[in-house]
Amino acid sequence: DTGVSQNPRHKITKRGQNVTFRCDPISEHNRLYWYRQTLGQGPEFLTYFQNEAQLEKSRLLSDRFSAERPKGSFSTLEIQRTEQGDSAMYLCASSETGYTEAFFGQGTRLTVV
Amino acid sequence: QKEVEQNSGPLSVPEGAIASLNCTYSDRGSQSFFWYRQYSGKSPELIMSIYSNGDKEDGRFTAQLNKASQYVSLLIRDSQPSDSATYLCAVNPKTSYDKVIFGPGTSLSVIP
Repeated sequence: DTGVSQNPRHKITKRGQNVTFRCDPISEHNRLYWYRQTLGQGPEFLTYFQNEAQLEKSRLLSDRFSAERPKGSFSTLEIQRTEQGDSAMYLCASSETGYTEAFFGQGTRLTVV
Repeated sequence: QKEVEQNSGPLSVPEGAIASLNCTYSDRGSQSFFWYRQYSGKSPELIMSIYSNGDKEDGRFTAQLNKASQYVSLLIRDSQPSDSATYLCAVNPKTSYDKVIFGPGTSLSVIP
């Protein structure tokens, strides 16, 4: 399978707990993006990486959110002290450098109860 | 003004008709434009990209770009029930060439 892979596909957590999601991009893609999508809305940009460097982080992203891409391959997105407003689909996408056609993974649906 | 705007719909067309989806954007320096299709509960799927003014055709899909009017559209010819989905317009803004900003999407329903 050469597509973008995200795990887990679904996560239910209690408010206040920490959660971590993983994204494995298409192997030759240097850029990796995280988006968040709520019902009826388009994907909202969170952050992106060029190899292991995090180059931009949305102002909408609170300090409870952190993302890493330690070896320039897979990435993790952690949400600390989850709130009900964090419930959403978290989408990962990847693209080649200098080429912004991005391909999405299946997403991780987070439900905070 | 939002960066990327679309009519939310729903847009309903009969099977076999042409569906026309529209998108406007605010950043005049935007360089790249994309249309994604998203089925309910699924992730977005890239269906078209366009970079220059004019039309770009791919099968039943035609993307149209007019940078002067800051307008991009997607035409779907011979619409099929399987085309029923939300269509997301996405733009690569001049303020940040490395990311893509999405519109809210237009829901399309093709009626058999």
